[in-house]
Amino acid sequence: GAGVSQSPSNKVTEKGKDVELRCDPISGHTALYWYRQRLGQGLEFLIYFQGNSAPDKSGLPSDRFSAERTGESVSTLTIQRTQQEDSAVYLCASSLATGGSLGNTIYFGEGSWLTVV
Amino acid sequence: AQSVTQLDSQVPVFEEAPVELRCNYSSSVSVYLFWYVQYPNQGLQLLLKYLSGSTLVKGINGFEAEFNKSQTSFHLRKPSVHISDTAEYFCAAFTGGGNKLTFGTGTQLKVEL
Repeated sequence: GAGVSQSPSNKVTEKGKDVELRCDPISGHTALYWYRQRLGQGLEFLIYFQGNSAPDKSGLPSDRFSAERTGESVSTLTIQRTQQEDSAVYLCASSLATGGSLGNTIYFGEGSWLTVV
Repeated sequence: AQSVTQLDSQVPVFEEAPVELRCNYSSSVSVYLFWYVQYPNQGLQLLLKYLSGSTLVKGINGFEAEFNKSQTSFHLRKPSVHISDTAEYFCAAFTGGGNKLTFGTGTQLKVEL
């Protein structure tokens, strides 16, 4: 598609339930990122995928969080047993190869707004 | 560890006035620096980026930023703002070879009549 697509755009869930957030990167982009943005705060890095390499999971806040990516396409971020502090906007981004070292621009989706009640 | 500091959480300014949004980074190695803008209820959009070369970088919508290695700063400027510039602005940095784009906490620019 023309841009990074995320779904759902909004999700309200009950505490303790699992949620899945989906990201469709820009076609041809091998690098994919997930970030979290809590209300009034900056962006927190969660996880990074680059092609078939092992993902960089160093930003995942707990073992309730996991993400998968099939090849160089869709990625799913899963949050198990959601807590109220998980309420945030979850942003997905993609770029050609590694964004930083090759100077490639990272393009962001509009985010999935998650509210845990 | 690489970090990015945005000194002002909010910057109010009148329309047609100049504005500077401050950003400092902490790294002694090569960095790649970015400014992103987030308009209300929209995703992040790249304003400009510094990779190498000229320290003055021009971006979209009349914004520019200057990379200052000695002061480890990458401040964003616009000589005359418009109401439509009201948005959240994020400074971000990659360290050379790194995978994580580290963001500052953001500066809310509010342009008033």
